[in-house]
Amino acid sequence: KAGVTQTPRYLIKTRGQQVTLSCSPISGHRSVSWYQQTPGQGLQFLFEYFSETQRNKGNFPGRFSGRQFSNSRSEMNVSTLELGDSALYLCASRTGTSALVDEQFFGPGTRLTVL
Amino acid sequence: DQQVKQNSPSLSVQEGRISILNCDYTNSMFDYFLWYKKYPAEGPTFLISISSIKDKNEDGRFTVFLNKSAKHLSLHIVPSQPGDSAVYFCAASAGTGNQFYFGTGTSLTVIP
Repeated sequence: KAGVTQTPRYLIKTRGQQVTLSCSPISGHRSVSWYQQTPGQGLQFLFEYFSETQRNKGNFPGRFSGRQFSNSRSEMNVSTLELGDSALYLCASRTGTSALVDEQFFGPGTRLTVL
Repeated sequence: DQQVKQNSPSLSVQEGRISILNCDYTNSMFDYFLWYKKYPAEGPTFLISISSIKDKNEDGRFTVFLNKSAKHLSLHIVPSQPGDSAVYFCAASAGTGNQFYFGTGTSLTVIP
């Protein structure tokens, strides 16, 4: 079974620009979550999508948005980029439908550098 | 507000000895806990989990202990191997369908 894939793997942008990151979950997984990882901050939760609807949301400004398509693929968009947005952005998928809590499977991440 | 905390940013252990990684949480509603391992340039990989109805779960060399009264969990790796060198994250969730809260990670170095 193919794992979670993220594109692109690396991205360099300048302040004020916007960026779109893509995530393809494991086949059959309907939940996709996005995280930001920065040194010393661990993994900060951005949002989770399930069946094209945002199910959970973290404490990030409105510049960070996402969406999910009918095939469960998800995109994350960051507008008006700031230097502090430089981070590794991780996507994780899970079935999302289990009666029990099911673990997430992570993609390799997209390294975003804002200059 | 960091609801899951890993207070040791790094840990060094000799090969063959025990590695103990610690994690504390503040939310008493958390009922499911996980450990992930992360190598550089890769996404985190699920390692082991524990439900709040248990106080211990084992999987090979990895054992997770949960102390609900202290809101503390730990990951024991015995014996430690050089390939275990990675960053370890603990995570917690309150119920199904809810988000996971991650700690800041502990970088483990196993010295051959």
